[in-house]
Amino acid sequence: DARVTQTPRHKVTEMGQEVTMRCQPILGHNTVFWYRQTMMQGLELLAYFRNRAPLDDSGMPKDRFSAEMPDATLATLKIQPSEPRDSAVYFCASIRSSGSLEQYFGPGTRLTVT
Amino acid sequence: KNEVEQSPQNLTAQEGEFITINCSYSVGISALHWLQQHPGGGIVSLFMLSSGKKKHGRLIATINIQEKHSSLHITASHPRDSAVYICAVCNNNAGNMLTFGGGTRLMVKP
Repeated sequence: DARVTQTPRHKVTEMGQEVTMRCQPILGHNTVFWYRQTMMQGLELLAYFRNRAPLDDSGMPKDRFSAEMPDATLATLKIQPSEPRDSAVYFCASIRSSGSLEQYFGPGTRLTVT
Repeated sequence: KNEVEQSPQNLTAQEGEFITINCSYSVGISALHWLQQHPGGGIVSLFMLSSGKKKHGRLIATINIQEKHSSLHITASHPRDSAVYICAVCNNNAGNMLTFGGGTRLMVKP
């Protein structure tokens, strides 16, 4: 049963620390999305990649956030330095190559920055 | 005005009731998704549709492209249907990224 995996599932860190979240898309899926969910804003897109190339990261605060896809099986989202307002659940989702628009979501990483 | 509006924001129903959740959008789309998020937090895709109607078990999703409106219906609702239901639209001119509605929190009481 193929699924998107994310690690860690929970992360508590102090303000100013670096946070790295990882996502393993479903094998064969070539488009990966990073979303953030907060109580105030709901779900919002941060960045996405197709064939490992960043296509849109306009939703991401550039000064502290960075997203990469070093290979087809790993996408990373990094926050440096983290701030309390970054506390949220971060979801990764993937879709197959052209033709399918159904997104498969990972379980999320719940980040708390104190 | 948000691009995707859902109503109601909160809904409480008695077990067995027929439930309708509505979604209106203001942008051109290639597809519309209905997602379910349980209290544990995981998000599951229920439907993806670009026209007409789809049915899966007790769930039915419809979309009217001309009116830019979609509905999610739950027949014979059950407490296990309690979750947040999220409408999201997909714009294939924007790389298939999703724009989300604010969600409808459904509670079904036994």
